[in-house]
Amino acid sequence: SQKIEQNSEALNIQEGKTATLTCNYTNYSPAYLQWYRQDPGRGPVFLLLIRENEKEKRKERLKVTFDTTLKQSLFHITASQPADSATYLCAPLVRVDSSYKLIFGSGTRLLVRP
Amino acid sequence: DSGVTQTPKHLITATGQRVTLRCSPRSGDLSVYWYQQSLDQGLQFLIQYYNGEERAKGNILERFSAQQFPDLHSELNLSSLELGDSALYFCASSAQGQPNTEAFFGQGTRLTVV
Repeated sequence: SQKIEQNSEALNIQEGKTATLTCNYTNYSPAYLQWYRQDPGRGPVFLLLIRENEKEKRKERLKVTFDTTLKQSLFHITASQPADSATYLCAPLVRVDSSYKLIFGSGTRLLVRP
Repeated sequence: DSGVTQTPKHLITATGQRVTLRCSPRSGDLSVYWYQQSLDQGLQFLIQYYNGEERAKGNILERFSAQQFPDLHSELNLSSLELGDSALYFCASSAQGQPNTEAFFGQGTRLTVV
């Protein structure tokens, strides 16, 4: 069956370090993959989208990689800040017949210590 | 503010009852998605509508139904409610039914079934 796996354990890092979050998927062949941020009790907020023919995408302190051979996406936050503390969701877009489903992983909680 | 409006913000109801959750998408967005997020669980995709028509379906229970109206607002109907239906229900909208556009999420409706 199709699965999206993100680290269920929280990632706890020191301010200023680089956070790296992993998203692995099985039995999918997503053409696109999105990353979202979710704060407690609030709706997810879009961060980045990467296409299958792009290896890497950057936006300010954020970087996403997409390896379709490994079926993995990595999400990096450089020079992390306490305000980056949140849950980060990976969302591969999967084509189903003539439509696309936006399916989310369960997310990884990031805690950045001051 | 994402521009997506969900009402009500909170809902408390008894088992066996029926409720309707409402979503107004961002101005101009044709696509609406519904998700369920239980405590400490990931976002579960329920259903997607595009310009009034059902586009994709997830693991939506038969007790749940949705529709998108000509003015593009959407409603999610939950009936014969059970304790396990208690969750945050999110609506999201995007400009097109295609995957290369980000989804904007509302703040959610917190449903508590007692």
